Amino acid sequence: KQEVTQIPAALSVPEGENLVLNCSFTDSAIYNLQWFRQDPGKGLTSLLLIQSSQREQTSGRLNASLDKSSGRSTLYIAASQPGDSATYLCAAGANSKLTFGKGITLSVRP
Amino acid sequence: GAVVSQHPSWVICKSGTSVKIECRSLDFQATTMFWYRQFPKQSLMLMATSNEGSKATYEQGVEKDKFLINHASLTLSTLTVTSAHPEDSSFYICSASLGQGIYNEQFFGPGTRLTVL
Repeated sequence: KQEVTQIPAALSVPEGENLVLNCSFTDSAIYNLQWFRQDPGKGLTSLLLIQSSQREQTSGRLNASLDKSSGRSTLYIAASQPGDSATYLCAAGANSKLTFGKGITLSVRP
Repeated sequence: GAVVSQHPSWVICKSGTSVKIECRSLDFQATTMFWYRQFPKQSLMLMATSNEGSKATYEQGVEKDKFLINHASLTLSTLTVTSAHPEDSSFYICSASLGQGIYNEQFFGPGTRLTVL
């Protein structure tokens, strides 16, 4: 059974800092890995999708990497802004399912 | 593109009543739709997978007679919570996929907050 872990559960950083959010998964036989953003009481916004054959994806200030063999993915946020404050979830796609981590709640202080 | 809507965005109902939640893909045809449930401070848990024109596949522990799913067209899936109880109060989110299964990206709706009194 796939298990996805995101540690820490919460993170607070000053504005402008570069930061890395970690995601680990137990079953390396995944098809893809997705990172989402969720604002309080809202749905999910897809940030980046990495197919299993890819190593990384970039979108603006965001860069996500995938290392299947070690069961890890990281989301790098450059020059963080208060507007980046949200919960970030990763999800591993395998066996026709997406398995989500519990998310990391990020707070960027002005 | 790839926009998914849900209706209603929130609903409050009395215990014992049934509630229907709609999930629509607005600008694409979704062969597969997924229903998730999220409790406060918890992750999204997959409830069921539905393919257009066929019966939904439910995850272990999800009562199919309580959570009725209908995927009658390529743009609409509905989740009906029958005889709702307070423990069914949760955030329900649907997603839609362009293709079969997990090989294609899932696009998520904005969610529906259900409160059962």
